[in-house]
Amino acid sequence: DTAVSQTPKYLVTQMGNDKSIKCEQNLGHDTMYWYKQDSKKFLKIMFSYNNKELIINETVPNRFSPKSPDKAHLNLHINSLELGDSAVYFCASSQASPGTSILAYEQYFGPGTRLTVT
Amino acid sequence: KNEVEQSPQNLTAQEGEFITINCSYSVGISALHWLQQHPGGGIVSLFMLSSGKKKHGRLIATINIQEKHSSLHITASHPRDSAVYICAVSQYGGATNKLIFGTGTLLAVQP
Repeated sequence: DTAVSQTPKYLVTQMGNDKSIKCEQNLGHDTMYWYKQDSKKFLKIMFSYNNKELIINETVPNRFSPKSPDKAHLNLHINSLELGDSAVYFCASSQASPGTSILAYEQYFGPGTRLTVT
Repeated sequence: KNEVEQSPQNLTAQEGEFITINCSYSVGISALHWLQQHPGGGIVSLFMLSSGKKKHGRLIATINIQEKHSSLHITASHPRDSAVYICAVSQYGGATNKLIFGTGTLLAVQP
């Protein structure tokens, strides 16, 4: 069974379009994340949700809107796609919850979605 | 300057060699993670540690909290160890388990 899954794996689209990437985890984790990996393979956090509540929003353009219908799902919607949005987007989940910030938990990553904007 | 620095950026080794990848960080952390990203792109967590040393098979991770430094060692390296190894830290005091990543070390093990 796949622990963290993402769809689609590849997404090629034109500038100006709107697209969504879906993420689901079956680990029963409380927290989910979106990360962006740029062309130099550098990873950076974009968003984090805990039990459907947004807890991290890292200076991401508001064209990016995460949505968490339940704690097992965290989707990423991108409006008006730009060339610079081309990257690999990773979803991840962990057991962490706010209020236990002294603790850290292992994160489980999805397979990534390679977005190419032409 | 990144809050998490790794060295070397690229490493080529012969099969069987002992490999060390270093990671230094400049923020307070609750834990340090070592991740592996294979050419296919998937990311796997190898270790999460907040003190001392952990071992899993041929992989060993150590951390020195006072010096803000961690090392990942691979003993008896094998071509299948070829991957990008990424150091990341869980920043202490945040509201959640936010990871800050190093730039990665690209390891190629030649037969």
